[in-house]
Amino acid sequence: DVKVTQSSRYLVKRTGEKVFLECVQDMDHENMFWYRQDPGLGLRLIYFSYDVKMKEKGDIPEGYSVSREKKERFSLILESASTNQTSMYLCASSKWGARGSTEAFFGQGTRLTVV
Amino acid sequence: SQQGEEDPQALSIQEGENATMNCSYKTSINNLQWYRQNSGRGLVHLILIRSNEREKHSGRLRVTLDTSKKSSSLLITASRAADTASYFCATEGYSTLTFGKGTMLLVSP
Repeated sequence: DVKVTQSSRYLVKRTGEKVFLECVQDMDHENMFWYRQDPGLGLRLIYFSYDVKMKEKGDIPEGYSVSREKKERFSLILESASTNQTSMYLCASSKWGARGSTEAFFGQGTRLTVV
Repeated sequence: SQQGEEDPQALSIQEGENATMNCSYKTSINNLQWYRQNSGRGLVHLILIRSNEREKHSGRLRVTLDTSKKSSSLLITASRAADTASYFCATEGYSTLTFGKGTMLLVSP
């Protein structure tokens, strides 16, 4: 069974802390994504990666960075957590096909609260 | 910027009825996908329709795509209480997936 696993389901951090959200996929997918989901705003793309060590900014990259040292792992880093980064964070992966990306598989989400 | 916009934002129906959700988008796409999200969980892929396809079926789901109008619709036939969820369309371009804000569907027994 294909799987995208996020390291934490719930996380509470203090303002100013450096926060790491980890995501691992076991499907040998090229593409990996980080989204945040907020009520009324839907899913917004933070960063994505289409290969090891490659990264591209999404719509809302400010305050975040990412790391992809291995194909199966994509980490989202909040350099200095702030209360406006309290949100649900969703990781996803997909395969790059001949005619664009295929379906994306999502992790279960990490609900981060910054206090 | 969000590519897809779902309509309506919320839909409430009775079991057995059909549910139709619409999605409009702005730029050219490779494909369009529909996802479901149960409360507080990750998204689950439902169906993918390519830009050269007009209609696709999967079980009780029927998706149409009109690239001239930049719109898609998702029809769920004979709905069940278990179909209660949020539904999102996602447009694919240059390996990224851009989601709309979703339609919340409530199916009452």
